[in-house]
Amino acid sequence: EVQLVESGGGLIQPGGSLRLSCAASGFSVSNHYMNWVRQAPGKGLEWVSVIYSDGSTYYTDSVKGRFTISRDNSKNTLYFQMNSLRADDTAVYYCAREVHFDYWGQGTLVTVSS
Amino acid sequence: QPVLTQSSSASASLGSSVKLTCTLSSGHSRYTIAWHQQQPGKSPRFLMKIEGSGSYNKGSGVPDRFSGSSSGADRYLTISNLQSGDEADYYCETWDSNTWVFGGGTKLTVL
Repeated sequence: EVQLVESGGGLIQPGGSLRLSCAASGFSVSNHYMNWVRQAPGKGLEWVSVIYSDGSTYYTDSVKGRFTISRDNSKNTLYFQMNSLRADDTAVYYCAREVHFDYWGQGTLVTVSS
Repeated sequence: QPVLTQSSSASASLGSSVKLTCTLSSGHSRYTIAWHQQQPGKSPRFLMKIEGSGSYNKGSGVPDRFSGSSSGADRYLTISNLQSGDEADYYCETWDSNTWVFGGGTKLTVL
């Protein structure tokens, strides 16, 4: 059974850093596109980043240079290093698998506030 | 980059059918899209992907009451025999040039 479990969210001050994790089971993250999608409170879904099976990475413009997606194949885990956090980064962050997000995690809430 | 347009809300009666629409922007009418359902307080769930030809592939465990179709730049999600648990936000999405876009979502109310 495919499962994605995010962790690492919390309350952080503006300018701070957080690292999110997404532990996968039932498949290998190295063989699939893996994404981060976020949802600000009361808002719609916004794609943020992807890592392809070949290791290529892409980001939405608003997080380029601040956020980094990566994976540890030995731990079958996806990561999201978020630096220089801003108030408008406040959202639930979901990891999701493949081109059309065929599986989603339960999400982890990141709140950026002083 | 494609833009996806959805009505902000829709409503239908329990036991009836509803057809939700996702419209692709000009020049992107052949794109494959996917529909996702987000019930209140839950994470999104993949429902299906729909190609420009109208063929669709559903996710694991998605009931037969959910079907997809296509006409020109429009991609449709039809839900028949509406149940209270179908009350949710429905999002379409597509991708192009290493980026993904979502529609604004349709809030479905089951009366």
